[in-house]
Amino acid sequence: GAVVSQHPSWVICKSGTSVKIECRSLDFQATTMFWYRQFPKQSLMLMATSNEGSKATYEQGVEKDKFLINHASLTLSTLTVTSAHPEDSSFYICSAGGHVNSPLHFGNGTRLTVT
Amino acid sequence: GENVEQHPSTLSVQEGDSAVIKCTYSDSASNYFPWYKQELGKRPQLIIDIRSNVGEKKDQRIAVTLNKTAKHFSLHITETQPEDSAVYFCAACNTGNQFYFGTGTSLTVIP
Repeated sequence: GAVVSQHPSWVICKSGTSVKIECRSLDFQATTMFWYRQFPKQSLMLMATSNEGSKATYEQGVEKDKFLINHASLTLSTLTVTSAHPEDSSFYICSAGGHVNSPLHFGNGTRLTVT
Repeated sequence: GENVEQHPSTLSVQEGDSAVIKCTYSDSASNYFPWYKQELGKRPQLIIDIRSNVGEKKDQRIAVTLNKTAKHFSLHITETQPEDSAVYFCAACNTGNQFYFGTGTSLTVIP
């Protein structure tokens, strides 16, 4: 149980375009999902907390207009990287947990390459 | 927000030896501490976790200890095997159910 599906797994796009990443909880409902960013050989940096039916909560230093998050249902959260630039190239991972203080379940991650 | 520090950043051990990774956290309200193992290009996988009302937990070759007073917790892997080689992350979860990760430890087990 507790499967989180993330798509796409890899995307290459040109500078200036927008990219949407989907995160789905397949067998449980997730009122909260989390989006992380990971640079090579570095840790997972929490970008934002996605709340179903309300606005996402962004960590300090993360531009909310750059990284648009929508959590329209209990099983789907999307992250849109708007007007992507090469410095946005990274590994983006979503996660969800069923209950407070229980393990996070991660999606497979999306490798974004902006050329 | 929470600040989680993790040491060492890299660790090499001989097969069969033990490995210890240490983390500290800053938010005294954090009450759940999982450890994740991540292989290159893959998602993090939970290997063990501990809640704030417990001081130690063991699962076969893996154990975690927690000192709430000192705000630090440690991962212990005994009888290491080559397949234990990976990057390990500690995390602290606060009352808002937000997880903050340590900087990671790249563990290499030498056959």
